[in-house]
Amino acid sequence: AQTVTQSQPEMSVQEAETVTLSCTYDTSESDYYLFWYKQPPSRQMILVIRQEAYKQQNATENRFSVNFQKAAKSFSLKISDSQLGDAAMYFCAYRDPGGGADGLTFGKGTHLIIQP
Amino acid sequence: SAVISQKPSRDICQRGTSLTIQCQVDSQVTMMFWYRQQPGQSLTLIATANQGSEATYESGFVIDKFPISRPNLTFSTLTVSNMSPEDSSIYLCSVVSGSLYNEQFFGPGTRLTVL
Repeated sequence: AQTVTQSQPEMSVQEAETVTLSCTYDTSESDYYLFWYKQPPSRQMILVIRQEAYKQQNATENRFSVNFQKAAKSFSLKISDSQLGDAAMYFCAYRDPGGGADGLTFGKGTHLIIQP
Repeated sequence: SAVISQKPSRDICQRGTSLTIQCQVDSQVTMMFWYRQQPGQSLTLIATANQGSEATYESGFVIDKFPISRPNLTFSTLTVSNMSPEDSSIYLCSVVSGSLYNEQFFGPGTRLTVL
């Protein structure tokens, strides 16, 4: 079974600075999807960024980017110019390619605190 | 992206009773999923809701406890049966969308408290 590990239960960063959240995963598949989700106190799960394993280029969405290292099975999230609204739980997630038939496997999450 | 609504948004229930949670999507989707998020924890997949056939349950979850219906491509229900305080959680509906099945979206969740 696939596993996802987030080794940082909590991270703190000053507003406007950059922070990197770590995620590693274990799989025997060669093709799969990786995601970062944000869950603010409202509990709504918000898709931040996704990466297809067959793509070598790292995904980027505005201030959010990933460092995808397939051989190392590492998928870190970098948040640049941190804003107060970025404060939330961040979950790394994995999914097999299976035509969307497979659910997500989540890491335990990282609580991100933004210091004003 | 798909817009997902859930009812109820929250409920407080007595031990031994059952609660049915509804999930409505604004477009037809092939795959719908139900997740549980226990207090302070991550999300765990309960089951995949299949249209026209029985749901597929993950290890540790059984149909008698979490019966699921999927009558069409935009709607599903999850029932939490014979509840105990350990069932107190947030229950989230999720769908796969996007032309490459590479986007998965979540409903706002149902916060269940069992006394």
